[in-house]
Amino acid sequence: NAGVTQTPKFQVLKTGQSMTLQCAQDMNHNSMYWYRQDPGMGLRLIYYSASEGTTDKGEVPNGYNVSRLNKREFSLRLESAAPSQTSVYFCASGSETLGEAFFGQGTRLTVV
Amino acid sequence: QKEVEQNSGPLSVPEGAIASLNCTYSDRVSQSFFWYRQYSGKSPELIMSIYSNGDKEDGRFTAQLNKASQYVSLLIRDSQPSDSATYLCAVKRRGGADGLTFGKGTHLIIQP
Repeated sequence: NAGVTQTPKFQVLKTGQSMTLQCAQDMNHNSMYWYRQDPGMGLRLIYYSASEGTTDKGEVPNGYNVSRLNKREFSLRLESAAPSQTSVYFCASGSETLGEAFFGQGTRLTVV
Repeated sequence: QKEVEQNSGPLSVPEGAIASLNCTYSDRVSQSFFWYRQYSGKSPELIMSIYSNGDKEDGRFTAQLNKASQYVSLLIRDSQPSDSATYLCAVKRRGGADGLTFGKGTHLIIQP
């Protein structure tokens, strides 16, 4: 009964380093999302994937890339991390029909 | 532009009383509406969904939707200290594959 699983839970990067956040879901959802959450800003959509093989930009895509590897997995890549990308990142999956989304446990990323 | 507005709080309610949380949205083509609960340091957890005008009850929780007024609310009856959390309102527009738009959340404190 895993639901949505993200790795890692915590990460510290130096400015300019790269990393990939991994996300997998076992709920057979077509849609997957990456959000970031910052104090005072709420949850903001970075990228989404409506189905395997498709990805689209959300509200704040600059500095990020994504890959929908298969129906289960959706990864987020920071090519050259910046302090402004310090945030908590959440992966989610959901039913496009019902609209609800289910979240992973989050990744707390600090860029120094 | 899609917007979801919530009073950030904190909203302080005595234990056993009714907590009332409110949310307004700007996009008239919004179709689906959700309430999430988020404890500090944790991920958002879906607690209620509502798709048509009126009330929907689930245990101590009641969601209310008024599409004409573009207004969604969440009532928590017999509030418990464990209900202390941030409550996020989220909306999905009709036909949109880009997931949910979230409000910034209301911080609820239940006073024993």
